[in-house]
Amino acid sequence: DAKTTQPPSMDCAEGRAANLPCNHSTISGNEYVYWYRQIHSQGPQYIIHGLKNNETNEMASLIITEDRKSSTLILPHATLRDTAVYYCIVRAFTGTASKLTFGTGTRLQVTL
Amino acid sequence: DGGITQSPKYLFRKEGQNVTLSCEQNLNHDAMYWYRQDPGQGLRLIYYSQIVNDFQKGDIAEGYSVSREKKESFPLTVTSAQKNPTAFYLCASRMGASGSLGEQFFGPGTRLTVL
Repeated sequence: DAKTTQPPSMDCAEGRAANLPCNHSTISGNEYVYWYRQIHSQGPQYIIHGLKNNETNEMASLIITEDRKSSTLILPHATLRDTAVYYCIVRAFTGTASKLTFGTGTRLQVTL
Repeated sequence: DGGITQSPKYLFRKEGQNVTLSCEQNLNHDAMYWYRQDPGQGLRLIYYSQIVNDFQKGDIAEGYSVSREKKESFPLTVTSAQKNPTAFYLCASRMGASGSLGEQFFGPGTRLTVL
């Protein structure tokens, strides 16, 4: 699976959009970009995933660059409850292995 | 309610003892996973199972064992051979057989402390 690079930490004011970047310059054509988040001492929570096109769901939007070497997770109106570690993961659609490789993620702190 | 349960939330054991962590899901998911997380680190995969009676080693399987006798259950045994067993252990499950995509759903975790 391709390696990802994320900033270790970010701050965001409550009510503002949080834009979390992720670099995956070695991504392959069959690899998807996944985002999870982990609130302190809880299990990770799935947020969104995509291949080429931008994706949006009730939690967030995922913007993937045209060359697919980077992506941005957008939380449109961050709240204090969005404070968590956010993991960007790339994973291939494969018939033999379906594991996710988690890096150290970005610690997002939402403040008043 | 459907979900994944792990019990207990906190577990203490003496060094040299084997200990089994439970993971149960009623989501009818095919695949199940065990991860380990150390302070300030990401998750590392220990074992995973895509169907009943079958499982594969992850990245850090040494000192651990698993079984998958039932679809809904995937217990993890931390043996005395595991050099640094104190950690936060997370179980996850995913819908779909091998090759299919789908997000993983995680349990609340068990924090194991070996004294």
